[in-house]
Amino acid sequence: GQQVMQIPQYQHVQEGEDFTTYCNSSTTLSNIQWYKQRPGGHPVFLIQLVKSGEVKKQKRLTFQFGEAKKNSSLHITATQTTDVGTYFCAGRKSTASKLTFGTGTRLQVTL
Amino acid sequence: GAVVSQHPSWVICKSGTSVKIECRSLDFQATTMFWYRQFPKQSLMLMATSNEGSKATYEQGVEKDKFLINHASLTLSTLTVTSAHPEDSSFYICSARERREGGDEQFFGPGTRLTVL
Repeated sequence: GQQVMQIPQYQHVQEGEDFTTYCNSSTTLSNIQWYKQRPGGHPVFLIQLVKSGEVKKQKRLTFQFGEAKKNSSLHITATQTTDVGTYFCAGRKSTASKLTFGTGTRLQVTL
Repeated sequence: GAVVSQHPSWVICKSGTSVKIECRSLDFQATTMFWYRQFPKQSLMLMATSNEGSKATYEQGVEKDKFLINHASLTLSTLTVTSAHPEDSSFYICSARERREGGDEQFFGPGTRLTVL
């Protein structure tokens, strides 16, 4: 079945440092979504990428979808303590298929 | 964005009892809802897809007789954990799909934390 892996599993940075999480799918994806889950909370939708090579930005967050539509990345510039949480990518093989979540990357930010 | 609610937000029950969790789409109709389970420090695992007016589709390894799903209306799906045991303790999250032009969107509920004693 479809597998979506993320690396690293966990990262601890100091506030102000950059952070990147990488998402790799075993199959080509129709689209990919990114979610953030705060400790004790539920996943909150961040963004969806659809096109090959697409890059989208949300303030300090930059999302990229690979040319082959099998991988994606989320980069946070100058992290803040409010960025703490687990970041999940989630992909679909087709627009009608189920969403498969990645393994997640837990980000810890300290002062 | 669209809003999905879940009730209860947390529940503690004794081993052997059944627990019902409700998932509602508040401002849109959802022909399809999804039930996920998340264990501590792990990812969301899809348990089943709930289709309004028909039987749910369960993922491999999920017991349909233990996790009963009912999607009786376009805004409500329920998950009943029957004869719950401590290993069923988990965070259960539902999601509702809204059909839109240009592609469907999936909205997540706030989750239900189940603790079985």
